[in-house]
Amino acid sequence: GENVEQHPSTLSVQEGDSAVIKCTYSDSASNYFPWYKQELGKGPQLIIDIRSNVGEKKDQRIAVTLNKTAKHFSLHITETQPEDSAVYFCAANAAGNKLTFGGGTRVLVKP
Amino acid sequence: NAGVMQNPRHLVRRRGQEARLRCSPMKGHSHVYWYRQLPEEGLKFMVYLQKENIIDESGMPKERFSAEFPKEGPSILRIQQVVRGDSAAYFCASSPGTARQETQYFGPGTRLLVL
Repeated sequence: GENVEQHPSTLSVQEGDSAVIKCTYSDSASNYFPWYKQELGKGPQLIIDIRSNVGEKKDQRIAVTLNKTAKHFSLHITETQPEDSAVYFCAANAAGNKLTFGGGTRVLVKP
Repeated sequence: NAGVMQNPRHLVRRRGQEARLRCSPMKGHSHVYWYRQLPEEGLKFMVYLQKENIIDESGMPKERFSAEFPKEGPSILRIQQVVRGDSAAYFCASSPGTARQETQYFGPGTRLLVL
């Protein structure tokens, strides 16, 4: 089955700096890669997703890149703000619509 | 447009009791997914359902766990004879059901504590 690895597990950045989270996946059949943000005590909230027919997607301060050959994808957050502090999860689908999640990255933005 | 709704938000059970978790998908969504999250870990897929049909239950333990999504009413995840290891957050997600690669929207979760 699919396996998703996510790094780093924790990330501390100064407000205004950029944050980058990287994920790798194992199943070349995966073709959909969402990113979720989870705040304490809440459910995961979709922040951006990318499909395998594109290499990059951007939405304001958030961007995601996908390298199908290397089987990795990354989340980039620019101009970080304290409200960006949360746990971020990458995911990939392989068989049907089932998502396999990475282990999560705890991001702390220091004011 | 209301999001995915789950209840209860918190559930405490003693070992051996039954836990029943409910999920109402977003309006217009006909596909429901259940995931489990242990403390400090990522989400693990359990089961994927359409109305009156289980599509994929490959992530669900063979014993004590069952799920349904009836024609009317919410999806139910049922855990019989709970054990301490069942303590976790259980999240439901829904999608429209019109295509592959569908975006899944998550509910707030049910936090189950087994004493």
